[in-house]
Amino acid sequence: EIVLTQSPATLSLSPGERATLSCRASQSVRSYLAWYQHKPGQAPRLLIYDASNRAPGIPARFSGSGSGTDFTLTISSLEPEDFAVYYCQQRSGWPPLTFGGGTKVEIK
Amino acid sequence: QVQLVESGGGVVQPGGSLRLSCAASGFSFSSYGMHWVRQAPGKGLEWVAFIRYDETSKYYADSVKGRVTISRDNSKNMLYVQINSLRVEDTAVYYCAKDTVSASGIAYYLDFWGQGTLVTVSS
Repeated sequence: EIVLTQSPATLSLSPGERATLSCRASQSVRSYLAWYQHKPGQAPRLLIYDASNRAPGIPARFSGSGSGTDFTLTISSLEPEDFAVYYCQQRSGWPPLTFGGGTKVEIK
Repeated sequence: QVQLVESGGGVVQPGGSLRLSCAASGFSFSSYGMHWVRQAPGKGLEWVAFIRYDETSKYYADSVKGRVTISRDNSKNMLYVQINSLRVEDTAVYYCAKDTVSASGIAYYLDFWGQGTLVTVSS
């Protein structure tokens, strides 16, 4: 099973700042990685798929990069609604699908 | 618009069983694989099970294999998961989610999710 490790666990930033989230895979997942945003009491939302493709309706301030074992989600300028938990997910090692442990982006 | 609405959660004693349902609308349900994903209190997301669009293949996480059965009724646009021999560690919010790719036998990504239904396993 491919293990995804996200860092940091918590990111404390102010609105307008840039957020950089990391996801590292235990073995290569090629570009088969997605990012999700999850707010308490809400359904998770797909942000990025295949490492760098924004899902429909996702603002341009969200971008993904990386391949192989190291991936990054960047939020160029944090909006108030961006404070949430973010998860990466891989499909290369299917089955199973696996998720990272999450990074919480909180207001500083 | 795509809607997924889960139901069937509740409080169950250890060793008990529960069937969760997910009502789907707003897309061609019979064309997409579907997933169940759970989130235990204070924990991250954990993939539980996947069923192919035509129900010919099913996959399970090792943590639930042998205790969980995923199924679907394409005539009713419904997804189900039966969980038997419930354990305290099965306590979680259970989400149903739609896969991104139509008519595929493998899983890709999850582009629409429900709000979840809470399952609490406690004596």
